[in-house]
Amino acid sequence: RKEVEQDPGPFNVPEGATVAFNCTYSNSASQSFFWYRQDCRKEPKLLMSVYSSGNEDGRFTAQLNRASQYISLLIRDSKLSDSATYLCVVREDTGRRALTFGSGTRLQVQP
Amino acid sequence: DAGVTQSPTHLIKTRGQQVTLRCSPISGHKSVSWYQQVLGQGPQFIFQYYEKEERGRGNFPDRFSARQFPNYSSELNVNALLLGDSALYLCASSLSPPRDRDIYGYTFGSGTRLTVV
Repeated sequence: RKEVEQDPGPFNVPEGATVAFNCTYSNSASQSFFWYRQDCRKEPKLLMSVYSSGNEDGRFTAQLNRASQYISLLIRDSKLSDSATYLCVVREDTGRRALTFGSGTRLQVQP
Repeated sequence: DAGVTQSPTHLIKTRGQQVTLRCSPISGHKSVSWYQQVLGQGPQFIFQYYEKEERGRGNFPDRFSARQFPNYSSELNVNALLLGDSALYLCASSLSPPRDRDIYGYTFGSGTRLTVV
């Protein structure tokens, strides 16, 4: 079983749609959580950190459920420029503090 | 300000050869990590260095080695290349030393795309 699991997609949605991505993680020692965005053949870029209380950044909302070891990302009013792969990332806050990535969920927003 | 810089951007090597990849972190960042990303997968952790010391290692064979220099730049070496080593190699820098509940992620360079033929 992978440490971080995501639906690979692709999610094909029209402009203006709301889309939700889910992610589960298996290591209960994970303490920090992130969503990264990766455009085709580019490096991952931090989209947002994820907090237990939930957090919002413009059209993006992230939620964390520690009890269920579940992370979500909601994108409202999708834009063409949102087309990318979204990577769910967890990190232990002790020891080596390496990032553990999911395989990513691909989003294609269509006109 | 310059971000994380990696060189070369692309590289083609033959099986059995050795390769050295280079990374310069963001100015002021003392921690450098290396990740391997094969097509269709998320990046996988290889090494983390802080203050020239190895602080973590992922599940990679001994053919993979790295080091960090006094100016915090880093090199990743891979010996006896295999076809399966073909991937995007990413370097990430961060402000660490690791602190409790550091909420910041890492900043990645644009990577070195290695093709082994």
